[in-house]
Amino acid sequence: DIQLTQSPSFLSASVGDRVTITCRASQGISNYLAWYQQKPGKAPKLLIYGASTLQSGVPSRFSGSGSGTEFTLTISSLQPEDFATYYCQRLNSYPLTFGGGTKVEIK
Amino acid sequence: EVQLVESGGGLVQPGGSLRLSCAASGFTLSDHYMDWVRQAPGKGLEWVGRARNKFNSYTTEYAASVKGRFIISRDDSERSLYLQMNSLKTEDTAVYYCGRAAGTTWDTSMDDFWGQGTHVTVSS
Repeated sequence: DIQLTQSPSFLSASVGDRVTITCRASQGISNYLAWYQQKPGKAPKLLIYGASTLQSGVPSRFSGSGSGTEFTLTISSLQPEDFATYYCQRLNSYPLTFGGGTKVEIK
Repeated sequence: EVQLVESGGGLVQPGGSLRLSCAASGFTLSDHYMDWVRQAPGKGLEWVGRARNKFNSYTTEYAASVKGRFIISRDDSERSLYLQMNSLKTEDTAVYYCGRAAGTTWDTSMDDFWGQGTHVTVSS
């Protein structure tokens, strides 16, 4: 199975910071990648699909890029409501694996 | 408004069985693939499996960790998705979420709506 490795697994940042999270696939997955945000005790929320397409209603400070084996999620200016855990998921074949997650905490 | 509401979670002994349900509303269930995703306490998300729609013969896919023990089914007339969990192990303890796949192609395979989850604890 194709594995997804997220880095870092944890990051501490301040409001207004630019934050970048990386997701690496063990084999090429074209652009079949989604990003989700999850807050404690809540269900995940879709942010980005097709590696770079913003889901309707998601603020434009979120952006995604990449293709093949390396992908990034960028938050251009971190807001208080963005402190959460972020997951990537590959969508090119079964099983639809998630990355291990990146927890973004307040510095 | 799209809504997914899971139910059926609880405490079960190792080796036991449990059936989870996911009630769907606000959209045409028969148009969509549906997923189960779980999250063990303090851990990340794990995709459990998928049920395709009627057009795709309701076929299913499973993660290796549950294949042969879990069965996903759906009843579009009842607007419901199910997860029959057999031969449960302590490592199946998790919050179980149902999710709606946005479409039926690989590029629309992401879950755009999720339920609030139901807790399953496997313990003696």
